[in-house]
Amino acid sequence: QITLKESGPTLVKPTQTLTLTCTFSGFSLSTSGVGVGWIRQPPGKALEWLALIYWNDDKRYSPSLKSRLTITKDTSKNQVVLTMTNMDPVDTATYYCAHRSGQLVAFDYWGQGTLVTVSS
Amino acid sequence: QSALTQPASVSGSPGQSITITCTGTSSDVGSYNLVSWYQQHPGKAPKLMIYEVSKRPSGVSNRFSGSKSGNTASLTISGLQAEDEADYYCCSYAGSSTWVFGGGTKLTVL
Repeated sequence: QITLKESGPTLVKPTQTLTLTCTFSGFSLSTSGVGVGWIRQPPGKALEWLALIYWNDDKRYSPSLKSRLTITKDTSKNQVVLTMTNMDPVDTATYYCAHRSGQLVAFDYWGQGTLVTVSS
Repeated sequence: QSALTQPASVSGSPGQSITITCTGTSSDVGSYNLVSWYQQHPGKAPKLMIYEVSKRPSGVSNRFSGSKSGNTASLTISGLQAEDEADYYCCSYAGSSTWVFGGGTKLTVL
């Protein structure tokens, strides 16, 4: 059974750096083809893909946010960490992590999401 | 990399069929058979309904089907049921291991 759970601060101040952790179980991020991605959703708005890290440590970022994002993995801890620098109120959103299967090309399991509010 | 275009809302009566479109470009939807669809109920995480244009994950009703023509992908829900009322998002591979989502469509079951 695959599960993912996001954790991190619920409130950050403008210009600060956000660090979110995705802790997962039921799969290994050392299995060929597997990846973990981050997707966010501002309140009442659409989903936006942010970043993805693969089993081989290949990292991909949204072109529009690339300069602010860093994604890393700790395979031994079953965790993926996303950092986003220079946070702004427009970054207020629910942040989801999701499993990218090695068998099917899609995000097939999602965490429950964590709401991050950017405000002074 | 711009968001894929979806209608803001669609509606249908129970038992009817509805189709939600997702229009991209030749750089994403048109170039790859890697469109997926997600259902999201209020306050919940998205759920994968269709992957690789027309494939259904295990456990998803066969009332849900997907297709693609050119730069436009479509999700069709037949035999509409009350529990289908939700937001639906398309997502496409956009090359170089990047992904792009659509703006979302609110489905109302009348």
